[in-house]
Amino acid sequence: DVKVTQSSRYLVKRTGEKVFLECVQDMDHENMFWYRQDPGLGLRLIYFSYDVKMKEKGDIPEGYSVSREKKERFSLILESASTNQTSMYLCASSLVGSGANVLTFGAGSRLTVL
Amino acid sequence: EDQVTQSPEALRLQEGESSSLNCSYTVSGLRGLFWYRQDPGKGPEFLFTLYSAGEEKEKERLKATLTKKESFLHITAPKPEDSATYLCAVQNGPNAGNMLTFGGGTRLMVKP
Repeated sequence: DVKVTQSSRYLVKRTGEKVFLECVQDMDHENMFWYRQDPGLGLRLIYFSYDVKMKEKGDIPEGYSVSREKKERFSLILESASTNQTSMYLCASSLVGSGANVLTFGAGSRLTVL
Repeated sequence: EDQVTQSPEALRLQEGESSSLNCSYTVSGLRGLFWYRQDPGKGPEFLFTLYSAGEEKEKERLKATLTKKESFLHITAPKPEDSATYLCAVQNGPNAGNMLTFGGGTRLMVKP
C-alpha cells in the first residue's frame, strides 16, 4: 500500500558532495513537493512541481535544485552539500484543484552532512 | 509575513484525560487551515481541512475547530495510540497546493 516512496531513509554525506534524493509516487498525482523539517521550525517548502518538467521555488530554494522528467518521479539535488543542509527531507504529492493541499507524504530521508 | 504558532510544544496526558491543542495564525487571507498527524519515523498524514470561522470537523476522538485567529484540535478521552506530533498549516496563496505555511507542531504523549 506504499504511495509515496523516498528511496533513501538515511544518508551520510561529506561537505561538498553532490546529493540526490529520489521520490516516486504511484497515485498519478500532478503536484509534487519537497519540504525540509527541522526541530522548532516546522516544515518549509523547498520546491514544488505541478507538471512534468515544471518547477516553482518554495520558501527556501537556495542550495537546492529539482528535476521532474516523469510524472511519478521528483528528485531533489544538493549540488554541493553543506552542514546546514543536515535535515529531514520530506517528499509529498497531491492532486490539482480542491484536493491540492491534501498532501500525501513519504516517510522522509534523514540527511547528515559532515 | 504569514505566521503559524502551535502551543504547547509538548503535551503529556494520561489516557482518558481530554485536552486541546492550539494553532494561532496570522495570514493575509486564509484560504484553508489543515491539520496533519505525524508518527515517529513517518511523514505527516492528513487529518482535516477547515475553510471558514465556525467550521468544525470530527474524526474519532479528534475535533478541529476554527476561529478568525486560531484553530483548536480537541482530543476527547485520548488513548496511547493518539500519541504523535500534530501539525497545522495554513493556505495563504491564490494557487492551491503551493502556499502552505506549517507551524512547529505539538508533540502529544498519552500514557496508559
